[in-house]
Amino acid sequence: QKEVEQNSGPLSVPEGAIASLNCTYSDRGSQSFFWYRQYSGKSPELIMSIYSNGDKEDGRFTAQLNKASQYVSLLIRDSQPSDSATYLCAVNYPTDNYGQNFVFGPGTRLSVLP
Amino acid sequence: DTEVTQTPKHLVMGMTNKKSLKCEQHMGHRAMYWYKQKAKKPPELMFVYSYEKLSINESVPSRFSPECPNSSLLNLHLHALQPEDSALYLCASSPRFRDLYNEQFFGPGTRLTVL
Repeated sequence: QKEVEQNSGPLSVPEGAIASLNCTYSDRGSQSFFWYRQYSGKSPELIMSIYSNGDKEDGRFTAQLNKASQYVSLLIRDSQPSDSATYLCAVNYPTDNYGQNFVFGPGTRLSVLP
Repeated sequence: DTEVTQTPKHLVMGMTNKKSLKCEQHMGHRAMYWYKQKAKKPPELMFVYSYEKLSINESVPSRFSPECPNSSLLNLHLHALQPEDSALYLCASSPRFRDLYNEQFFGPGTRLTVL
């Protein structure tokens, strides 16, 4: 059973701080990793994808991947109250049957306090 | 057009009703997905269509019946549902299916309530 784990939170940070969200995965064969943001009652929105070890930056968001440690993280700089949401980590890993499988972690609820 | 649309936004149905959910994308994506999401849980995969053919059925009860009329459209037909089927039903699409670097894009979802 392929697993993706995240702290459920809530993670509370003050406005303007850096929020750090973490995700670990069980399958060393996993090749691609995604962060989705989901506001309450809404659908998941893709905010970052990362495929190679290291950092990938997009605006206030930085995704970090360490395949040796099977760890992927998302940093949100200058956190705003509008960043308050659940952040879902998703991992795409190879399977014999279907070629690939997309597995979501349980999500971390982030609360940015004004 | 870079979005996935879903109709209706909300649906309330009785256990004896038959209804359908609709999903549409015009991004030229060849894989489309149905997910079910309960409150405070991640999305759970139900079905995958690749090139209009059903590729994955994750042991979903037969009261859910998917249909892919063409490469842009995906339907989910509902019949004799149970109250525990109440959830947010999400449609997603991706450029391809058998691709480890696929990004999936979600529609806004249909909030289904079964009475």
